Amino acid sequence: NAGVTQTPKFQVLKTGQSMTLQCAQDMNHNSMYWYRQDPGMGLRLIYYSASEGTTDKGEVPNGYNVSRLNKREFSLRLESAAPSQTSVYFCATRHQETQYFGPGTRLLVL
Amino acid sequence: KNQVEQSPQSLIILEGKNCTLQCNYTVSPFSNLRWYKQDTGRGPVSLTIMTFSENTKSNGRYTATLDADTKQSSLHITASQLSDSASYICVVSGLSGGYNKLIFGAGTRLAVHP
Repeated sequence: NAGVTQTPKFQVLKTGQSMTLQCAQDMNHNSMYWYRQDPGMGLRLIYYSASEGTTDKGEVPNGYNVSRLNKREFSLRLESAAPSQTSVYFCATRHQETQYFGPGTRLLVL
Repeated sequence: KNQVEQSPQSLIILEGKNCTLQCNYTVSPFSNLRWYKQDTGRGPVSLTIMTFSENTKSNGRYTATLDADTKQSSLHITASQLSDSASYICVVSGLSGGYNKLIFGAGTRLAVHP
């Protein structure tokens, strides 16, 4: 039972490059979320998916797209990376009132 | 504006000592308040969750309190251990647009020294 897994753990991109962050869960939870965490700030919601087949914008969606491929997987795509997207990205699921976070992906955009 | 403020930003204590972390919020309407522990390089892990009617909840050596009137919460750690070194994040849930919106504090970074 791995919980929430994220790949890659670390990535370096050049400005303008694209990439997809992967997230998978084996807890059979309906809701999944993508957050970014920056120094001195609280986690901010990028996108979320209340159930398979639905996605909604969060607080900071600009520059990102998401895909809820199935109940297990929720990916985050950066089409044209910018230095402002340097951050640590966390995927999470929710069951009742508790969120379960993955280990994070540390992204550096040069 | 919905906000969650945590203090102090960072704290250093000696192993075995107690400490208290503070969280003030302006989120309204209020649904619940959670405390998470985040080890370096890891995702946050839930410690406690409290609703409006609860004013204290314990999880081992961690005790959270909530005063919904003054919109304040605290997390008390008893007999600290080296493994308590982490960031502690206060998260307040408020109803917005018909769903629960989570507002995250910036966290308190705790270092426990031997």
